[in-house]
Amino acid sequence: DQQVKQNSPSLSVQEGRISILNCDYTNSMFDYFLWYKKYPAEGPTFLISISSIKDKNEDGRFTVFLNKSAKHLSLHIVPSQPGDSAVYFCAARDTTSGTYKYIFGTGTRLKVLA
Amino acid sequence: DAEITQSPRHKITETGRQVTLACHQTWNHNNMFWYRQDLGHGLRLIHYSYGVQDTNKGEVSDGYSVSRSNTEDLPLTLESAASSQTSVYFCASSESRRNKETQYFGPGTRLLVL
Repeated sequence: DQQVKQNSPSLSVQEGRISILNCDYTNSMFDYFLWYKKYPAEGPTFLISISSIKDKNEDGRFTVFLNKSAKHLSLHIVPSQPGDSAVYFCAARDTTSGTYKYIFGTGTRLKVLA
Repeated sequence: DAEITQSPRHKITETGRQVTLACHQTWNHNNMFWYRQDLGHGLRLIHYSYGVQDTNKGEVSDGYSVSRSNTEDLPLTLESAASSQTSVYFCASSESRRNKETQYFGPGTRLLVL
C-alpha cells in the first residue's frame, strides 16, 4: 500500500503559467515533506521541503503548500519555464522509532511548452 | 566540493551472475540508502545504513545485500542477478539530524540483466 501518492503521471503547462503538482500521503507521522526534480540520466536533486509544522514554504518561483487535515501537499511553480520540464518526485520523511527513511511517490512528468 | 558518486554508470550482466554496484560519498553523512527506480513505481528503498556496521532492509530487499565497513561507502550486491532486477539504481546519503532533512543522490547506475 503506497504511503505517498502522486496521482498525475504527467502534466503539460504553457510557459509563463503556473504549474501545480500534487501529492497525497497516508501516514500522519511523517515530519518532513520534500520535492525532488529529476532530469533524464541524472539523479534526483532536492528542490524544496516543508516541515509538518508549517503550511507553506516559498523559495523563489517554487512554493510548497501542506494541508495536514487532508494529508495533501502541492508544489506551485510560477512562472513555469521550459527548463522546469522534468520528473518531480514527492517524498516524505519517516522518523518514527529513530529511523530516517524517505518514502517516495511515483513521480509526475512536467512538460513546459514554449 | 562534497559529492556522491556511483560506479559503474552502466552495466550489462547475465542472469545468475553476482554484481556489485559501488557508492561513495564525501559528505561524511551517517545515513546511506539504495533505491531502484522503475516505471510506475517511483523510487523504492532496497537497503539503508545509519552508520558503520549498520545495515537494514528496505521494502524491496530480496536478492540484494549491502555492507558498511566505513562512512564513505555502501556497495550494493546482487547475489544472483535476475531479469527482474533490470532497473536504474540510485544511491543517496543524508545527515542524522532532525533539522537536516535533505537527501543527496548519486547520478545512478543503469543495470541490464540478460
